[in-house]
Amino acid sequence: DAGITQSPRHKVTETGTPVTLRCHQTENHRYMYWYRQDPGHGLRLIHYSYGVKDTDKGEVSDGYSVSRSKTEDFLLTLESATSSQTSVYFCAIREGGANTDTQYFGPGTRLTVL
Amino acid sequence: TQLLEQSPQFLSIQEGENLTVYCNSSSVFSSLQWYRQEPGEGPVLLVTVVTGGEVKKLKRLTFQFGDARKDSSLHITAAQPGDTGLYLCAGDETGFQKLVFGTGTRLLVSP
Repeated sequence: DAGITQSPRHKVTETGTPVTLRCHQTENHRYMYWYRQDPGHGLRLIHYSYGVKDTDKGEVSDGYSVSRSKTEDFLLTLESATSSQTSVYFCAIREGGANTDTQYFGPGTRLTVL
Repeated sequence: TQLLEQSPQFLSIQEGENLTVYCNSSSVFSSLQWYRQEPGEGPVLLVTVVTGGEVKKLKRLTFQFGDARKDSSLHITAAQPGDTGLYLCAGDETGFQKLVFGTGTRLLVSP
């Protein structure tokens, strides 16, 4: 258990509204990631963070922004939600291993944009 | 662009059968990870392979990383209903943990 929680776990919203998803970790990991999972696409990286206030874009970053003001929290914001952003969103942390680092995932947030 | 191709996409077998899932790419990976995911949950790490030709065993699961570090396989011996789930491979192309995921293999093991 990598001590990752996500909130909310489920959310239904309407097109055009702002939405913020929260990822919280308890083990002081430096790297945090946001992915979305859609049928036929697997998981795709949206944004990631390599420290407080340090973030970078992933493969599918358009329409999303992130913020990391504290080590433990990584926020994903949809400024104006669209139906194409209906998805399951996963947060992950990066943990060092004997040979290489590994990512561990949170439980996910199911977002529906109507 | 999907860099990792997984096959088969779906597999429905009876308890006790053996199976192999493949993860293929034209890219070289510094490491490759296998995850299992159950409905409503996040992916759970099974194994990480790093060295070309590496073989790792986790009880009835055997993972192999190709010699050229472009492909991997997961073999399950004597599958059990508890093995049911979505199996995902994920490759780290850059060494900086920006993972690329395969589309997954959905396994159903019936009693």
